[in-house]
Amino acid sequence: NAGVTQTPKFQVLKTGQSMTLQCAQDMNHEYMSWYRQDPGMGLRLIHYSVGAGITDQGEVPNGYNVSRSTTEDFPLRLLSAAPSQTSVYFCASREAGTGPYEQYFGPGTRLTVT
Amino acid sequence: ELKVEQNPLFLSMQEGKNYTIYCNYSTTSDRLYWYRQDPGKSLESLFVLLSNGAVKQEGRLMASLDTKARLSTLHITAAVHDLSATYFCAAPISSGSARQLTFGSGTQLTVLP
Repeated sequence: NAGVTQTPKFQVLKTGQSMTLQCAQDMNHEYMSWYRQDPGMGLRLIHYSVGAGITDQGEVPNGYNVSRSTTEDFPLRLLSAAPSQTSVYFCASREAGTGPYEQYFGPGTRLTVT
Repeated sequence: ELKVEQNPLFLSMQEGKNYTIYCNYSTTSDRLYWYRQDPGKSLESLFVLLSNGAVKQEGRLMASLDTKARLSTLHITAAVHDLSATYFCAAPISSGSARQLTFGSGTQLTVLP
C-alpha cells in the first residue's frame, strides 16, 4: 500500500492564480480531510469528506473548494491564491465510524504564494 | 468550540533527564491522540488514548489521559537526542464534523547532548 499520497510536494504561485492540490489514498478509507499547518498554530481543518459525494467545511474553509467523486481521491482547489494561503497542506484519511481509528497523513505540499 | 492547548511550546532538555508535556482541552472528549513530527516531515501517530485513566507506553514515552480534568500528559523518561521533534496532541471534535481532529499548537522538543 502506498498509503496517502499528495502531489505536488512543492508549489510556488503568484497571487490570483488557481491550482489543485491532489490527494489519493489506497486504503479504502471513507473519511478524508485537508489540514493546513502554519508555524506555531498546529494543524487546522480546512474541509473534510465522509464519503464519495459528501463534503463539509472545517475551521478555515474560505478560499478553498473540495469535491469527492471517488473514494480514493480528494483534491483541494485554491480558487484565487493569496499570500495568506502560504502554508504546508496535509491530507489525511481514516476508516469510517466512531472507533479509535488512526488518521493517516500524507507527506504534505509546501505552498508559497507571492 | 473545542480548544486544545499544549505547554510548553518549546522545550530544551539535557539527555538523560525527564520531562512532561501537558495537553489541556476545553470540552468533553472521550479520546486523545498524540503525534510526532520531524522537521519537514509528515505526522506520525504515537498514541491513541481511549478512556479515562488510559496509559500507554512506547520506549521512553508514556502518555496518559484524565478525561475528568480534560488533561493528557506525555512523559519523557531519560531523554535521548532521537526524541528531538515536535509533538502534537489532538482531540476529536465531538459533533458535526465526523470527529475530525482539533490539534494543539505543538511542543518543539530539543534534546541536548
